[in-house]
Parts: sequence; structure tokens; C-alpha cells
Amino acid sequence: DAGVIQSPRHEVTEMGQEVTLRCKPISGHDYLFWYRQTMMRGLELLIYFNNNVPIDDSGMPEDRFSAKMPNASFSTLKIQPSEPRDSAVYFCASSPGPLNSPLHFGNGTRLTVT
Amino acid sequence: AQTVTQSQPEMSVQEAETVTLSCTYDTSESNYYLFWYKQPPSRQMILVIRQEAYKQQNATENRFSVNFQKAAKSFSLKISDSQLGDTAMYFCAFMRAGNTPLVFGKGTRLSVIA
Repeated sequence: DAGVIQSPRHEVTEMGQEVTLRCKPISGHDYLFWYRQTMMRGLELLIYFNNNVPIDDSGMPEDRFSAKMPNASFSTLKIQPSEPRDSAVYFCASSPGPLNSPLHFGNGTRLTVT
Repeated sequence: AQTVTQSQPEMSVQEAETVTLSCTYDTSESNYYLFWYKQPPSRQMILVIRQEAYKQQNATENRFSVNFQKAAKSFSLKISDSQLGDTAMYFCAFMRAGNTPLVFGKGTRLSVIA
């Protein structure tokens, strides 16, 4: 079991550019979560999926953010256009179900927008 | 909405000593789960311990144990025989029954001093 795999590990981009973060959950996990970590706000849930279907995206900051899960083994989080305030560490996590299983986190993507 | 409060932004402890990290939460739910996660400088999020609200017995994992006070909505983490490798951010997290997403506290930065 390779764990949750995120790429890239680091991303530096200029304001206005499109950024795509990628996540491969653990095989067989039905739930996938995207979190954002900043010093000021801590860990915030952005969106989560169950069986590839978005369940709650109320944490997505604004229309510049979008997330997809085209199949059970892949998800993307896209920011277009990026802004300096989007700089943060973005975590993907997956959970197997049944209910209340602990989350398994990837190593995160550190995004810096200049 | 549930909230999780960690009132100690930073703590330090001498190697081999015991330290307790505080966490309180606010919920109207009766069935829920509580977690402590560790985030070392590597950025990885590691599950330390988990407690089911319906269990009266406090969870224990080797040197890590919790003091769960349901009426007081308190969930503290005790680390015994602290080791240098325990240096990390520690996050308390709440999960409502139903595999809803984790809600995290802001974290406590623990430094273990040789």
C-alpha cells in the first residue's frame, strides 16, 4: 500500500497562472477529502467526495477553485487564476469507510503564488 | 457547527518527561469520534490516537493516552516519556458520526528538549 500520493510536492507559480494539484487515493477508499493548511486558519476542509461524487464543496473559497474526481483513483484541485493569498499547503486524504474510519493523508503540496 | 479549540499554541517538555496537550470541542451531537494527529516537520499527518464518544474507557497507544471528559467536552492528550521524535504540531480533530469530514483545531506546537 503506497498511501495517498500527491503531486507535485512543491509548486511555485506567478499570480494569474492556473495551478493543478493531483491526488491518488489509497485503492479501495471510497472517500476523498481536500484540505488547505495555513498558519492563520489551520486546516480547512475544501471539498470531499464519496464514490467520486462531490458531497460538500461549501469550503471551496470561491469560483477560482474547482475539484474533480473522474474516477476512483484520481482527483484534481484546480485554481484559476491563482492569487498570492492561495499560498498554502494543500492536503488530500482518503478514507475507506465504513463510517468513521480515520483519514489517511498524503504528504501535501506546498503552493507558493508570487 | 462543531468547533475544536486548542488553547496552547506552543509547549515544550524535557526529554523523558510527561506533557499534556489540551483540547476542547463544542457539539450538540451525542455520537462522535475524536482524534489526535501529529504533524512532524516532514509535513506528514500521522494519526496518533482515536476515541469513540460512546466508550467510557480512555484510549491508549503505547506512550500516548487521552483523558476524555464527555460532559466537559474535553479531550486531552498525554505523552509519557517524551522523546525527541515527538517534536511536532499536534492537532485535535472531531468527527460527527456518519463519516463526515474531520474538523481540526488550530494545533499545538510541541518541542521536546534534550
